[in-house]
Amino acid sequence: ETGVTQTPRHLVMGMTNKKSLKCEQHLGHNAMYWYKQSAKKPLELMFVYNFKEQTENNSVPSRFSPECPNSSHLFLHLHTLQPEDSALYLCASSQDVVAPSSYNEQFFGPGTRLTVL
Amino acid sequence: KQEVTQIPAALSVPEGENLVLNCSFTDSAIYNLQWFRQDPGKGLTSLLLIQSSQREQTSGRLNASLDKSSGRSTLYIAASQPGDSATYLCAVSSQAGTALIFGKGTTLSVSS
Repeated sequence: ETGVTQTPRHLVMGMTNKKSLKCEQHLGHNAMYWYKQSAKKPLELMFVYNFKEQTENNSVPSRFSPECPNSSHLFLHLHTLQPEDSALYLCASSQDVVAPSSYNEQFFGPGTRLTVL
Repeated sequence: KQEVTQIPAALSVPEGENLVLNCSFTDSAIYNLQWFRQDPGKGLTSLLLIQSSQREQTSGRLNASLDKSSGRSTLYIAASQPGDSATYLCAVSSQAGTALIFGKGTTLSVSS
């Protein structure tokens, strides 16, 4: 595997279900991000992790719970979601927040298409 | 609060045309600007990254320019091809390791 991978690619869940999205990066990066892309809205940040520590939370509802066990893996745990949470969830990574040579270029995974019924 | 605007929202051109996509941002204090391509239902592919100190970057038929003081960037696509059909997204970051702020994108359709 190369780059940034995400599983599952598609997920349908009911409002009472609990599920998790997984992201893995094979680039040796130390920063990872969750973004949400809803129809007709710009991509928006949800969370940022640097060296496994959460550094940004963009006022995301608690029904979304991120987890970053190491610099290569990022999870998004979902519970009691609403139909309006249906969207494409994208994971990204970048090299290092303090390494100027990286220019913080972000690389994205293919996304998980989530449908909440 | 940083806002990114992309004009036009959609563009249709015949194959072979040169075209320009526009991006503007409200806060000129950016760290970098990235242009991405997104195919329907897919993730984002990074096309070009311009550091705040740079004026332009080139990759093949693509050229991106940055005028930080006026809050503008353009993506120039030369000799467009049907395979260029996609949504093009512009995004800026205010410092390293922080979120990218995205525009809504320009959806390009190139007909053969």
